[in-house]
Amino acid sequence: ELKVEQNPLFLSMQEGKNYTIYCNYSTTSDRLYWYRQDPGKSLESLFVLLSNGAVKQEGRLMASLDTKARLSTLHITAAVHDLSATYFCAVDGSGSRLTFGEGTQLTVNP
Amino acid sequence: DVKVTQSSRYLVKRTGEKVFLECVQDMDHENMFWYRQDPGLGLRLIYFSYDVKMKEKGDIPEGYSVSREKKERFSLILESASTNQTSMYLCASSFWGLGSGNTIYFGEGSWLTVV
Repeated sequence: ELKVEQNPLFLSMQEGKNYTIYCNYSTTSDRLYWYRQDPGKSLESLFVLLSNGAVKQEGRLMASLDTKARLSTLHITAAVHDLSATYFCAVDGSGSRLTFGEGTQLTVNP
Repeated sequence: DVKVTQSSRYLVKRTGEKVFLECVQDMDHENMFWYRQDPGLGLRLIYFSYDVKMKEKGDIPEGYSVSREKKERFSLILESASTNQTSMYLCASSFWGLGSGNTIYFGEGSWLTVV
């Protein structure tokens, strides 16, 4: 059974600081997804990582994938308040079925 | 833009009632999914469908059924609602293969309270 674990689950950080969210998964997969969810809203796709060593960047967010370590990271650079949200990673185990992590609730304080 | 529409955003139902949650997508996606989201548990897959009239159980199918009579529409049915089914339900859709960079698109969610 595929398990996906994120840490930390809660992250409070100051504006301007850097931090990394980690996503570990238990079985072989080379497809990993990052989503963002604002309170009361749906999930918005951020990144799709399709191979070992894949790195994608959008604004202050950068995601990477190490399939050998079964690890993805979401790095936040110089955080701003607008990045406050819950971030989910999800792994494609088989047949387009995504298994999600528990989510990381990020709060960026002024 | 892809649009996944869930017709009911907020529902309050009584224990034992039959509940229908409807979802429609406009991108001709083959795959459709129903997830439920609970605090601390992330999203859990209830059922999915990869074609009309086809369905597969997800991780937590007990107490639920689904119907897909048309490609664009996927319904989640709670035959006899119970309080432990109070949750947010998210419908999603995607093309058949995720390998070429496709992603899953989510609807806005349906908040169901069972009293």
